[in-house]
This record gives sequence, C-alpha cells and structure tokens, in this order.
Amino acid sequence: DTGVSQDPRHKITKRGQNVTFRCDPISEHNRLYWYRQTLGQGPEFLTYFQNEAQLEKSRLLSDRFSAERPKGSFSTLEIQRTEQGDSAMYLCASSPAGPDNSPLHFGNGTRLTVT
Amino acid sequence: AQSVAQPEDQVNVAEGNPLTVKCTYSVSGNPYLFWYVQYPNRGLQFLLKYITGDNLVKGSYGFEAEFNKSQTSFHLKKPSALVSDSALYFCAVRLNYGGATNKLIFGTGTLLAVQP
Repeated sequence: DTGVSQDPRHKITKRGQNVTFRCDPISEHNRLYWYRQTLGQGPEFLTYFQNEAQLEKSRLLSDRFSAERPKGSFSTLEIQRTEQGDSAMYLCASSPAGPDNSPLHFGNGTRLTVT
Repeated sequence: AQSVAQPEDQVNVAEGNPLTVKCTYSVSGNPYLFWYVQYPNRGLQFLLKYITGDNLVKGSYGFEAEFNKSQTSFHLKKPSALVSDSALYFCAVRLNYGGATNKLIFGTGTLLAVQP
C-alpha cells in the first residue's frame, strides 16, 4: 500500500492559464474522489468516480473544471481559464469497493496558487 | 440541509490532560460519522468512524468518540493528550442511504494545540 499520490504538490499559475492535476489512487481502490480545501475550511466535495464512471459532480464544479478517470485507475482534474478564486488545496481520495462506510484515504494534495 | 458543526476553532490543552473536540451534525436519517486529522501540508488521515452499535468508538492513536443521537453529537476524546496530537481535526458525516453518493460533508475543523 503506497498510498494515494498526487502530482504536483504545488502549482503556481497566472490567471487565465489552464492547469491539470493528477491523482494515483491506492491500486485496489475502485472509488476515487476529488475535494477542494480553502484556508480555514473543511474539504468540499467536487466529484466522485466509481471505476471510470463519474457518478456525481458538485455544483462547485463549474464548466471550467473537468475530471476524468479514463481507465479506472489514475484521475486528472483540469481547470481551464483559472481565476484567483480557484486558489486552494485540491485533495484526492480513494476507497475500496464495498460498504459506503469505508474510510477515505487521502493524498497530500496539490496546492494551487493563481496570481 | 445536511451539515456538520465544529463550534470551536481552537482547543488548547496541557500535555497529559484529557481533551475533547466537539462535533454536532444535522442530517435526516441515520448518519455515518467520521473523524479525520490533518497535519500541516498533508492530506487527511482517518481516525475513527461510527456506523452503528456501541456509542463509544475507539480509533487510532488512543482517540475515541462518543455518539449521542439525542444531542446529535459525535465528540472526539482522548484521556491523556500528547504534544504530537497537535493538528487540525475534522468531523465528517455521510448519509446512510445506499445511493450512489459517497461524499463526505466536513466541518470547518478544530485546531488542537497541546502545550508541553
């Protein structure tokens, strides 16, 4: 169990640029989640995959945001035309198939700063 | 609407003293409740969960939590605090309804500061 891996750890970009983050979940986990955490707040749900299917998207996920998990393994989160309000920590988590009470295993996150 | 409240932004406690970090929730139906801990610049780590059964749940690193349905609370406790327990603690809830939604709703977090 090597844990959930996220890349990059930090990203600084200028407003209007596109950015893409990658998440590699724990290998046997078929469920994958993206959360966003801003300073002083708890993580907020963005989207959820079961295998390659994106089963739920939050209203927080505007049209500028897109997430994929094409082969049911790693996932990418892309933000187009970044805005300063997108600055946050983006957390990926995974969990195994089974009961909905399985704990989430979080990665260390990607901290995005939009200047 | 479903929500989780952590009424204290920060809890200060001396090493060796008992600690309590408070959490209340508001959901319809039976909730699954979780506690996670976050160290600086790291992701969240699972501590413990309540699903059903015994109201006192034991978790990692000597932490435990007590589920109180009448008060809709799930307070985190530890009999004797360590300096290394200093971190940000999050309470979270997931609805128990078996649908496709597997999202957690998190509280705003409580910073625990343990003084030596």
